[in-house]
Amino acid sequence: QQQVKQSPQSLIVQKGGISIINCAYENTAFDYFPWYQQFPGKGPALLIAIRPDVSEKKEGRFTISFNKSAKQFSLHIMDSQPGDSATYFCAASRSNYKLTFGKGTLLTVNP
Amino acid sequence: DAMVIQNPRYQVTQFGKPVTLSCSQTLNHNVMYWYQQKSSQAPKLLFHYYDKDFNNEADTPDNFQSRRPNTSFCFLDIRSPGLGDAAMYLCATSRDMITKETQYFGPGTRLLVL
Repeated sequence: QQQVKQSPQSLIVQKGGISIINCAYENTAFDYFPWYQQFPGKGPALLIAIRPDVSEKKEGRFTISFNKSAKQFSLHIMDSQPGDSATYFCAASRSNYKLTFGKGTLLTVNP
Repeated sequence: DAMVIQNPRYQVTQFGKPVTLSCSQTLNHNVMYWYQQKSSQAPKLLFHYYDKDFNNEADTPDNFQSRRPNTSFCFLDIRSPGLGDAAMYLCATSRDMITKETQYFGPGTRLLVL
């Protein structure tokens, strides 16, 4: 049973466009929702994270939107750049214990 | 400035030949994790240490073992690697599992089994 469902599997966006990746979770005990960015041959790096007491968090061009009642959260990348091309993983956990990852989204930003 | 260091970055071994991957951290974090990540898949947690306490995931094969001799180092031992064990192995750390802080990942070791 996959507890975090991520979509789309891959995404192609033009430079300057908005990239949107969605995740849905099942376990209502989850209270920490990070997004990780992974470049080929590298380990995942934390991009931005949110807790369920807020509906939105913004850091630069990256925004997480969180809908607790729908058990959904999404990552928005504004003004997408070719350097943003990477695989993005959403994850969920209880107090950062044992992250449950989504299957990942391969983002390609065309120049 | 590297906080989570993994060695080697690439490891080639033969089918059935034991191999050890290493991870070290400069963060003085209490928790260390080992993940297996196969191509185009999400990282899969194998086990973690909370200080010296070892916690194995239920579906981690017995072929995988781990050692943590001190706070800074953690090792992943694969006793008899099979072709299906070829993957990227990621080490991660976190301060603890009570405070709400993130996991920091190392660059990974890519294992090839011939």
